[in-house]
Amino acid sequence: QVQLQESGPGLVKPSGTLSLTCAVSGGSISSNNWWSWVRQPPGEGLEWIGEIYDSGSTNYNPSLKSRVTISMDKSKNQFSLNLSSVTAADTAVYFCARDVLSGWFDSWGQGTLVTVSS
Amino acid sequence: DFVMTQSPDSLAVTLGERATINCKSSQSVSSSNKNYLAWYQQKPGQPPSLLIYWASTRESGVPDRFSGSGSGTEFTLTISSLQAEDVAVYFCQQYYTTPHTFGQGTKVEIK
Repeated sequence: QVQLQESGPGLVKPSGTLSLTCAVSGGSISSNNWWSWVRQPPGEGLEWIGEIYDSGSTNYNPSLKSRVTISMDKSKNQFSLNLSSVTAADTAVYFCARDVLSGWFDSWGQGTLVTVSS
Repeated sequence: DFVMTQSPDSLAVTLGERATINCKSSQSVSSSNKNYLAWYQQKPGQPPSLLIYWASTRESGVPDRFSGSGSGTEFTLTISSLQAEDVAVYFCQQYYTTPHTFGQGTKVEIK
């Protein structure tokens, strides 16, 4: 069973860039899968941020597209999220997930809380 | 974007009784006899866990008291006999198109 683990700073200053990495174990990131980022503000619902495919192709949520970059490092079996120009509204638990057929999410990381505050 | 609306927002069910959660999409998420709809369970402090995909296919290891149905714009998740460990928030998600979108969640509690 593939396992995912998010890592990165838990506190980011307003107007800064949020950077997170998702390490994949128990399977190869180069396995014809999509890999996604999903976030959840405290006490709220789930918002899909974007996804990256084995080939490097990406899809982003239009609501965040101007600020989001998702990349992949196959040599380290991990993928990353950069979200620029953050505000308090970007405070959330950020999850990485395996995205089957650009569809459902069958494996999730435990999530990491990122707070945007000065 | 496809807007997913769940009802009710919360429900309290007696142990052993049936729980039914509805999910309505703003546009059809069905095509060529496929329903692009998944269901998740999320317990406090945990990530969501996949229950069902293709609207009615149970993920491996999911108890058979969980079932999904529906097509087009109307879908249902049913827990046939609620157990204490089923207390959680449940989300539907469409993957017919990007951006993938989720319902707002339905909180299930014990009456």
